[in-house]
Amino acid sequence: GENVEQHPSTLSVQEGDSAVIKCTYSDSASNYFPWYKQELGKGPQLIIDIRSNVGEKKDQRIAVTLNKTAKHFSLHITETQPEDSAVYFCAAPSMDSSYKLIFGSGTRLLVRP
Amino acid sequence: DAGITQSPRHKVTETGTPVTLRCHQTENHRYMYWYRQDPGHGLRLIHYSYGVKDTDKGEVSDGYSVSRSKTEDFLLTLESATSSQTSVYFCAISEQGSQETQYFGPGTRLLVL
Repeated sequence: GENVEQHPSTLSVQEGDSAVIKCTYSDSASNYFPWYKQELGKGPQLIIDIRSNVGEKKDQRIAVTLNKTAKHFSLHITETQPEDSAVYFCAAPSMDSSYKLIFGSGTRLLVRP
Repeated sequence: DAGITQSPRHKVTETGTPVTLRCHQTENHRYMYWYRQDPGHGLRLIHYSYGVKDTDKGEVSDGYSVSRSKTEDFLLTLESATSSQTSVYFCAISEQGSQETQYFGPGTRLLVL
């Protein structure tokens, strides 16, 4: 069945270092890949997304890269700050409907001051 | 939270009682979704709506029903709550033309005793 696998499940980095979270998807026809950040007690917040016609997208300290051949995409956070500590989720469209998303299981990022 | 409110924000109920959660949006978006979030499972789609009175099942729809009588409101009903439905419930919305880009509400924390 369709699946989105996300790794690692937890990630601890020193403030100022980079963090990378990777997701793999199963449907080669998928063309949209969002990343969400969820802080404690809040709803997921869309932070960046990428479509399959580009290989990389950047927004200040965050970037997403896409490898369609290998069917994986990654979130890169540079110069991490304590406020980056949160749970991050990737997602990809369901095979049977582009507006239904399948979510990864999440990565808990801890940025140590 | 993209003009989305959920009510109640917290609820404690007993097994066997009916429960209705409400999602209200002010964005006039066509698509609305209900997810549940449980440790280790990420976000799983319960039901979704692609227009007024148009709804369909997601991957974990058993024990849940929904209704959408007007664009701005999407109701999730647990006809007879069970302890396995203890979870955090999130509503999301997306607009036609970019329906895969979903924005989430703040969530409802439900405890079924």
